[in-house]
Amino acid sequence: ETGVTQTPRHLVMGMTNKKSLKCEQHLGHNAMYWYKQSAKKPLELMFVYNFKEQTENNSVPSRFSPECPNSSHLFLHLHTLQPEDSALYLCASSHQLDQETQYFGPGTRLLVL
Amino acid sequence: GENVEQHPSTLSVQEGDSAVIKCTYSDSASNYFPWYKQELGKRPQLIIDIRSNVGEKKDQRIAVTLNKTAKHFSLHITETQPEDSAVYFCAASSDQGGKLIFGQGTELSVKP
Repeated sequence: ETGVTQTPRHLVMGMTNKKSLKCEQHLGHNAMYWYKQSAKKPLELMFVYNFKEQTENNSVPSRFSPECPNSSHLFLHLHTLQPEDSALYLCASSHQLDQETQYFGPGTRLLVL
Repeated sequence: GENVEQHPSTLSVQEGDSAVIKCTYSDSASNYFPWYKQELGKRPQLIIDIRSNVGEKKDQRIAVTLNKTAKHFSLHITETQPEDSAVYFCAASSDQGGKLIFGQGTELSVKP
């Protein structure tokens, strides 16, 4: 349960705020992911990083800005979000990029007012 | 690109009955199919996965079957218990980028 951690667990922000979500994995994995989970919707892949390099940007609006300083840490910087961005943001990691089990963090529950 | 359809969206069974959740995928190159369980307020966790070189895999009360010709795979839970109540997600991935595409989820409710 502690292999992938996320902070904060809950976040309330106004549309003009700037905030950051943090993810850390202690599994020695090389690939990290950001997902968005909204009510009644499937998990939506946002970004993929492999060995610190971004390999996937799934048409995510620029108000979401990822950062991966090393293979263990992943950030999601938030700026001028909209109420419809309210969701659970899940981080995941896997040993390699291809066909590997992904281990999820507990998520950050975000509410944009 | 890959598209994964999952059915049903909700499933209610009596304790002790079996539950079956089905997924179809579109990309014939997909060869890795994991299933995740997400309990209320918790993270998704892998419960079983299957690769395309096998047709069935079993782990205690949970089994997954894969039909590559028809491009569908299913999760079978036998002797269901109340603690099996959760949302279950299927996913498919190919070795071209490894991106996991998730199904829409099935909310399983096991009534005591």
